[in-house]
Amino acid sequence: EDKVVQSPLSLVVHEGDTVTLNCSYEVTNFRSLLWYKQEKKAPTFLFMLTSSGIEKKSGRLSSILDKKELFSILNITATQTGDSAVYLCAVPLSGGGADGLTFGKGTHLIIQP
Amino acid sequence: NAGVTQTPKFRILKIGQSMTLQCAQDMNHNYMYWYRQDPGMGLKLIYYSVGAGITDKGEVPNGYNVSRSTTEDFPLRLELAAPSQTSVYFCASSPSGTLYGYTFGSGTRLTVV
Repeated sequence: EDKVVQSPLSLVVHEGDTVTLNCSYEVTNFRSLLWYKQEKKAPTFLFMLTSSGIEKKSGRLSSILDKKELFSILNITATQTGDSAVYLCAVPLSGGGADGLTFGKGTHLIIQP
Repeated sequence: NAGVTQTPKFRILKIGQSMTLQCAQDMNHNYMYWYRQDPGMGLKLIYYSVGAGITDKGEVPNGYNVSRSTTEDFPLRLELAAPSQTSVYFCASSPSGTLYGYTFGSGTRLTVV
């Protein structure tokens, strides 16, 4: 069974801090790993990672994948209150499912002013 | 704005009642998905469709049905509502699987009492 485990489940930091969110996965046929940000409503796409060791970057957010150790991290530097959200990690289902995704439980990040 | 539109946004059902959650997209995407999200959990795939006339089960299909008569619409039907179906339901679409990421609707919060 496909499995995605995120840690920590919740995290409270002060504005300006740097945070690292973790995602480990077990899938039979790995193709990609995706990160989403979920505020009050629908998840919004952040990154898709397919190759090991190549960092994806968007402003203060960056992510990297380690296919040997089966994990990914999402870094946020100089955090702002607007970064407060649930961050979800997901991988495509092994059995096909037209790339339906298996999601982790998410990391609930709270940035205090 | 183009995107995925879900209706209704909120609904309270009594046990045993039926309802249809509507989902429409205007991006001409072939792939559409229904997910449910329970508190503190990641999203779980209910059903998906790779094109008009084609649907298939995801991870948690019991108690639900879908149809895909057009490219644009992908309604989710609950026939005999149960408290275990209390959840937030998200519809998503994609041009062709996770390669391009998903576009999510804003969700339907359903409570069964």
